[in-house]
Amino acid sequence: AQSVTQLGSHVSVSEGALVLLRCNYSSSVPPYLFWYVQYPNQGLQLLLKYTSAATLVKGINGFEAEFKKSETSFHLTKPSAHMSDAAEYFCAVSYQGGSEKLVFGKGTKLTVNP
Amino acid sequence: NAGVMQNPRHLVRRRGQEARLRCSPMKGHSHVYWYRQLPEEGLKFMVYLQKENIIDESGMPKERFSAEFPKEGPSILRIQQVVRGDSAAYFCASSPSGTGWYEQYFGPGTRLTVT
Repeated sequence: AQSVTQLGSHVSVSEGALVLLRCNYSSSVPPYLFWYVQYPNQGLQLLLKYTSAATLVKGINGFEAEFKKSETSFHLTKPSAHMSDAAEYFCAVSYQGGSEKLVFGKGTKLTVNP
Repeated sequence: NAGVMQNPRHLVRRRGQEARLRCSPMKGHSHVYWYRQLPEEGLKFMVYLQKENIIDESGMPKERFSAEFPKEGPSILRIQQVVRGDSAAYFCASSPSGTGWYEQYFGPGTRLTVT
């Protein structure tokens, strides 16, 4: 069975500082990995995805993530936080042949301080 | 191209009533997924449908919940005899078949409150 663990339910950074949100996955088959962002009272927006091509994936709004098979990790980073990055971030995993459903982590709420 | 549409955005029901949540997928998408988000939790998969077929309902509660995606019209998630524990945000997502199957686009959600 697949699972996702997001370390840290709350992360706080200063504006301009590095953002690092951690995600570890468990999957017995090659995974497809995703990061989604959710702003208050809104739906989820896809930030970036890993689908077995390049291990370093660039997404929208300056975010990127690196797939590390040996560490079963897919951490999300952004070099310089902006106030508008304050939101909740979800890591998710799926795989082809697994009914294509997404399995989500519990989310990390990012606060950006001025 | 309109995104995934869900209505209503907010729904209030008394205990014992029925709730019907609607989802119109993106144009050209034939796969629909329903997820539930409880407070302080991530999203949990409920059901995956294609037109007129339920593909995977492993996340659906055994009783009171049902889903359909008819040949014409939106997908419907139906909750009968709602209880307070059903209060949550329900999100619908859609994806294309074939190339890009893995990329799910989410609607804005329906926030159900049971009083």
